[in-house]
Amino acid sequence: EAGVAQSPRYKIIEKRQSVAFWCNPISGHATLYWYQQILGQGPKLLIQFQNNGVVDDSQLPKDRFSAERLKGVDSTLKIQPAKLEDSAVYLCASSLDSETNYGYTFGSGTRLTVV
Amino acid sequence: GIQVEQSPPDLILQEGANSTLRCNFSDSVNNLQWFHQNPWGQLINLFYIPSGTKQNGRLSATTVATERYSLLYISSSQTTDSGVYFCAVRGWNFNKFYFGSGTKLNVKP
Repeated sequence: EAGVAQSPRYKIIEKRQSVAFWCNPISGHATLYWYQQILGQGPKLLIQFQNNGVVDDSQLPKDRFSAERLKGVDSTLKIQPAKLEDSAVYLCASSLDSETNYGYTFGSGTRLTVV
Repeated sequence: GIQVEQSPPDLILQEGANSTLRCNFSDSVNNLQWFHQNPWGQLINLFYIPSGTKQNGRLSATTVATERYSLLYISSSQTTDSGVYFCAVRGWNFNKFYFGSGTKLNVKP
């Protein structure tokens, strides 16, 4: 079974620039999550999708972050404009459903450095 | 949200030693999972354990839901066990996971 695919693996941008990350979940997984992991901390949920609908985006900084999951499969997370404090690893995860979280699997992440 | 506290924050072991990692949480949970983040950043799901005890090879976990804690046991540690161990919980009134800050384990040969 293929895992959760993310790209790019690394990204370096200047502050105020924009950046986008892509995630392709495990086939058949209805629930998709984007997390932000700052160095030395645990992952923090940014947004959770159930199919193509948003379940929770309470911790997403909506003035600069946006995410979409068209057709309920792959997803894109965008930051515009980026700030220095956005430097972190952005992790995508998927699970079969949001009730049991069965098969909860993380991708390898995208390491973002904002300079 | 739910507060999740993990201890110890850092742990150094000699290869072959045993260890116990602890996760305390502030509210009733219907889902608790342990993850291992390897030195390359990949998070691997170790256990789904909202209650009871499970074992998988050298690893085992116990959750005492009524007392709001979970323990992860690592026996005969190996250098490949190094990394950060995270506990994540989901409460009855929440639809998302809350992660602790992790225990960073370094197993020396």
